[in-house]
Amino acid sequence: NAGVMQNPRHLVRRRGQEARLRCSPMKGHSHVYWYRQLPEEGLKFMVYLQKENIIDESGMPKERFSAEFPKEGPSILRIQQVVRGDSAAYFCASSPPGTLDTEAFFGQGTRLTVV
Amino acid sequence: AQSVTQPDIHITVSEGASLELRCNYSYGATPYLFWYVQSPGQGLQLLLKYFSGDTLVQGIKGFEAEFKRSQSSFNLRKPSVHWSDAAEYFCAVDTSNTGKLIFGQGTTLQVKP
Repeated sequence: NAGVMQNPRHLVRRRGQEARLRCSPMKGHSHVYWYRQLPEEGLKFMVYLQKENIIDESGMPKERFSAEFPKEGPSILRIQQVVRGDSAAYFCASSPPGTLDTEAFFGQGTRLTVV
Repeated sequence: AQSVTQPDIHITVSEGASLELRCNYSYGATPYLFWYVQSPGQGLQLLLKYFSGDTLVQGIKGFEAEFKRSQSSFNLRKPSVHWSDAAEYFCAVDTSNTGKLIFGQGTTLQVKP
């Protein structure tokens, strides 16, 4: 059973470009979470999705950021018109259906650098 | 607001010495509690977790943690540190049982030979 797969591992974008980060959850997992880790900081929750639904987006910046988890395919975190401050490591985690004693498993992360 | 505090940003210990990393949380009830380890450039690996029951939990790599309700703490311990334990350690809580985690700032562990 493969773990949570994120790609690309490293992504370089120029200011103003779009960044698309992908996350394939573990097999059988229907819940996906995105976190952002700025340099020298801990992880901050961004968004929690289930298939075709955004459950909690309380940590998402109001502009330029969006996330989806379609019925088929990976979850996508999209950042439009990137700025230098978006440079960070973005981690995806997934968990199985149900809410009892839930444990999330993390991917290796995508390190975004905006130049 | 719910929060997690790791008071020590950096800790240096000698190899073979004991280790304790502190974690305190702010929440009205007992959350689910986790410790993760992150090596440079890598993702997070779960060391151990507490959901309920015995307040002393055993994890991987010889780590253990003790939940103390009266102190709102979940400190991580290891009796004898190995050089390979050098990494960053994160305490996290889940207050909603949805898998959504609130992380502490992390503690960077250095191990002296």
